[in-house]
Amino acid sequence: DIQMTQSPSTLSAFVGDRVTITCRASQSISSWLAWYQQRPGKAPKLLIYLASILESGVPSRFSGSKSGTEFTLTITSLQPDDFATYYCQQYNTYPHTFGGGTKVEIK
Amino acid sequence: EVQLVQSGVEVKKTGESLKISCKGSGYKFTSNWIGWVRQMPGKGLEWMGVINPGDSDTRYNPSFQGQVTISADKSIGTAYLQWGSLKASDTAVYYCVRHPNTLMDYFDYWGQGTLVTVSS
Repeated sequence: DIQMTQSPSTLSAFVGDRVTITCRASQSISSWLAWYQQRPGKAPKLLIYLASILESGVPSRFSGSKSGTEFTLTITSLQPDDFATYYCQQYNTYPHTFGGGTKVEIK
Repeated sequence: EVQLVQSGVEVKKTGESLKISCKGSGYKFTSNWIGWVRQMPGKGLEWMGVINPGDSDTRYNPSFQGQVTISADKSIGTAYLQWGSLKASDTAVYYCVRHPNTLMDYFDYWGQGTLVTVSS
């Protein structure tokens, strides 16, 4: 299985901060990567697919990028609604696999 | 509006059987693969398997093969996840998810989740 290594596992930030979350794939997945946001007690929500395409309705402060097998989710100007856990997912190879998650906490 | 609506909370004993459901609406149910994702308490997400409701073609994550059965009834727009004999380690929230285009895909819609608690 392809391993997806997310870092950091937890980060603390202030409202208004710029935040970066990284996901590294154990082998090439081209750009077949998605990012999800999960608020406590809720189902995950799709933010980005194909590494950098913003899902309809998702605020433009979210963006995704890729460099080789390393993928980045950036949130510019963190908002109160953004405090949640974020997961990456590869869909290049069977079985689909997720990163371990990054919890974004209020500082 | 696309919706995936799952069945409610389940509290079961070890060794019992269980079938939970996921009803799709707002789109043509047979046009999109439906998958299942497990989230154990305080843990991350694990993809379990997927079904094409149109022809019942089913694929499993090898980690879950033989442990669960995925099925669908296209006449009522509903997918299912079932267990023949539950274990305490099956305690988790289970989400159904929709693939927007193909088998190898991200998940654009998620059900609200079904909490399954298994105890002895």
